[in-house]
Amino acid sequence: DAMVIQNPRYQVTQFGKPVTLSCSQTLNHNVMYWYQQKSSQAPKLLFHYYDKDFNNEADTPDNFQSRRPNTSFCFLDIRSPGLGDAAMYLCATSPMGGETQHFGDGTRLSIL
Amino acid sequence: SQQGEEDPQALSIQEGENATMNCSYKTSINNLQWYRQNSGRGLVHLILIRSNEREKHSGRLRVTLDTSKKSSSLLITASRAADTASYFCATEDNFGNEKLTFGTGTRLTIIP
Repeated sequence: DAMVIQNPRYQVTQFGKPVTLSCSQTLNHNVMYWYQQKSSQAPKLLFHYYDKDFNNEADTPDNFQSRRPNTSFCFLDIRSPGLGDAAMYLCATSPMGGETQHFGDGTRLSIL
Repeated sequence: SQQGEEDPQALSIQEGENATMNCSYKTSINNLQWYRQNSGRGLVHLILIRSNEREKHSGRLRVTLDTSKKSSSLLITASRAADTASYFCATEDNFGNEKLTFGTGTRLTIIP
């Protein structure tokens, strides 16, 4: 089945130690999104790509970066994680002009 | 913040009863969507209603939209234990930026 896959499902890192989360998709969708979701809160958009065109949300901290080397893969890099960055990180895709988004199962990030 | 509000925040009902969740939003929209999120998982798209539609059905789901009040409701009929999840509304504005703004969510618990 075509899908959005996030690895790993659980990630533990140390305060200040860089961490990378990955997302891959077999849907061949042009648009990919990264969301941060804290406990019992709504998903918050961090950034998204139209193909390789990167779009950062105004309130996304500089600590968060992203890479999209090809259509299928997208990475979220957190350069110096703080305790406040502990959250579920969700990747989603949609076709260009599409209205609905397809989500992966997320990576739950813990900071020690 | 353009985030929508949902109420109630939490809802517990007996299996077989109907569940109603409400969503309010702030901007003019292109469409409004409802997503389900099981605990520790990603979001799954349920149903989309466009700004020129007032009601839509899909299986046991019924969605209404009142653009004059900037509100929507999701009705789940004949609830089942498997419906236990968090439900989020999400709006796509009409600026053509293909972004969704999620509401705060309703945590639904179905009691067997």
